[in-house]
Amino acid sequence: SQKIEQNSEALNIQEGKTATLTCNYTNYSPAYLQWYRQDPGRGPVFLLLIRENEKEKRKERLKVTFDTTLKQSLFHITASQPADSATYLCASIGGSQGNLIFGKGTKLSVKP
Amino acid sequence: NAGVMQNPRHLVRRRGQEARLRCSPMKGHSHVYWYRQLPEEGLKFMVYLQKENIIDESGMPKERFSAEFPKEGPSILRIQQVVRGDSAAYFCASSPALQGTYEQYFGPGTRLTVT
Repeated sequence: SQKIEQNSEALNIQEGKTATLTCNYTNYSPAYLQWYRQDPGRGPVFLLLIRENEKEKRKERLKVTFDTTLKQSLFHITASQPADSATYLCASIGGSQGNLIFGKGTKLSVKP
Repeated sequence: NAGVMQNPRHLVRRRGQEARLRCSPMKGHSHVYWYRQLPEEGLKFMVYLQKENIIDESGMPKERFSAEFPKEGPSILRIQQVVRGDSAAYFCASSPALQGTYEQYFGPGTRLTVT
């Protein structure tokens, strides 16, 4: 079955460093991948979408890559800040009708 | 422009009771999705609806769960005869068109606790 996996449950980094989160997919070839941010007690918030024919996409301090050979997307936050602390979710289209499959998320903690 | 609204935010039900969760999509959005998030688990798709139509219910448990999105009013997720295992956060999301080309906008969720 189609799977989205985020292997790191948690990532702790120092303020100012670059955070890199990994998303792997198996058993299918998604046309795009999405990244969301979720804060405790809140719903996910869309951050970026990258299509399979795009190698890289940027938005302010965020950068996403899509490697169809490795079946992997990397999500980078440069110059990280404590306010970036949250759980980050990778998602892609699931069934034929367009439901989203989510990874379990990576909880990022940025220490001052 | 108000975002996706869900109510109630917290709902406590005893085993065997019914739970009704409501979702009002963003203005101009005609597609609604429901997801469930269990503790320490990821978001799991449940159902995808358009006005008066269920498009994909492949993630819905076959019994006790139902969803609707009437012509007027909010989308409703209904859970009959709740059990402890139904305790979870239920999120509604909406999108303006076919989900395959747009991101989804999520509500704050309803946290259901079954005692």
